[in-house]
Amino acid sequence: GAGVSQSPRYKVAKRGQDVALRCDPISGHVSLFWYQQALGQGPEFLTYFQNEAQLDKSGLPSDRFFAERPEGSVSTLKIQRTQQEDSAVYLCASSLEVGRNSPLHFGNGTRLTVT
Amino acid sequence: AQRVTQPEKLLSVFKGAPVELKCNYSYSGSPELFWYVQYSRQRLQLLLRHISRESIKGFTADLNKGETSFHLKKPFAQEEDSAMYYCALSGRASGSARQLTFGSGTQLTVLP
Repeated sequence: GAGVSQSPRYKVAKRGQDVALRCDPISGHVSLFWYQQALGQGPEFLTYFQNEAQLDKSGLPSDRFFAERPEGSVSTLKIQRTQQEDSAVYLCASSLEVGRNSPLHFGNGTRLTVT
Repeated sequence: AQRVTQPEKLLSVFKGAPVELKCNYSYSGSPELFWYVQYSRQRLQLLLRHISRESIKGFTADLNKGETSFHLKKPFAQEEDSAMYYCALSGRASGSARQLTFGSGTQLTVLP
């Protein structure tokens, strides 16, 4: 595809509901990152995949957050029992290589609002 | 710990004036610094990275390790430069990759 695709663009959930956010990275990109961006803040790291392996999940704020990338391509970020503090834009980014200078390509994000 | 500080949330300049967006960082190792930009209704995208020592759209940024700064500069601002700018540091390891730590961003407005 032309770039990283995320769906849905907007999601409104009632507190306590579960949500699933999808990311389609650029084809062939090895690295995939999830970031959370609260209003007025910069993106904050959540988790990292190298192909299908989740190598770092240190940024996930609680055990209600779960991410997977089972075939090393599409990734899903799941949030269980959503809380109001989960309201944010969730950004997915991919890069072709693993190296520290490999530029990240971001999706448009999913704006989650928990009411 | 690694941290990126952008002290200005908002910055306005007139077209043709010089612009400098400030970025300071803290990191115990050898950092890699980036500037990302988000234009209105567009996705976040890489503007430049210090290792390339390049000028993109007239912008430059020099890594000053003594002052732990990576300020973004342009001598003559244009209206199309209006956007949100994020400074980012690549440091802490995530497997073989590196996490990016972002600053809170500076909204640049270039006035006609």
